[in-house]
Amino acid sequence: DAGVIQSPRHEVTEMGQEVTLRCKPISGHNSLFWYRQTMMRGLELLIYFNNNVPIDDSGMPEDRFSAKMPNASFSTLKIQPSEPRDSAVYFCASSLVRVGGGYTFGSGTRLTVV
Amino acid sequence: DAKTTQPPSMDCAEGRAANLPCNHSTISGNEYVYWYRQIHSQGPQYIIHGLKNNETNEMASLIITEDRKSSTLILPHATLRDTAVYYCIVRVVSAGGTSYGKLTFGQGTILTVHP
Repeated sequence: DAGVIQSPRHEVTEMGQEVTLRCKPISGHNSLFWYRQTMMRGLELLIYFNNNVPIDDSGMPEDRFSAKMPNASFSTLKIQPSEPRDSAVYFCASSLVRVGGGYTFGSGTRLTVV
Repeated sequence: DAKTTQPPSMDCAEGRAANLPCNHSTISGNEYVYWYRQIHSQGPQYIIHGLKNNETNEMASLIITEDRKSSTLILPHATLRDTAVYYCIVRVVSAGGTSYGKLTFGQGTILTVHP
């Protein structure tokens, strides 16, 4: 099992550009989560999906952020247009909805917007 | 979800047991206690979880008080690689395990293991 795979590992972009982060969850997992981590705010849940359907996007900071899960093996988080305050590490996690199911996190994407 | 309180930092000598406390005095009957850790520059890692009984796995033990208002994560023989931020989280789980609340991370405890 390769675990949760995120790409790219690092992204540096200029303010105003579109950024797309990608995530491949563990095969067979039916829930997927996007988190953002900064020094000031810690780990924040942005959005999560169950069976490819967005369940709760209340953590998405504003309309510039959007997430999709077109199938069970792929999800994207898009920021358009990006701003310097979006600089953070973005983590994707997946889990199997069952009693006690823990999350498995990817290695994260470190985004720097200059 | 119930809020948790953890000490901001702790130290432990290598080879000794690390006992990390967590207070969750407002926990509800359908909330489980989860522990995760985050080693520098990595994603959080699941450690263990429990409802009311003590639990043990290959990584750690979880001791939950009888009133469930607090718990302790025990790393029996801490190593330098256990230096990390440890998060205690309470999470709603429905009867039968058909739905789950979100995992909401607090500030955690920075555990530093010394040689």
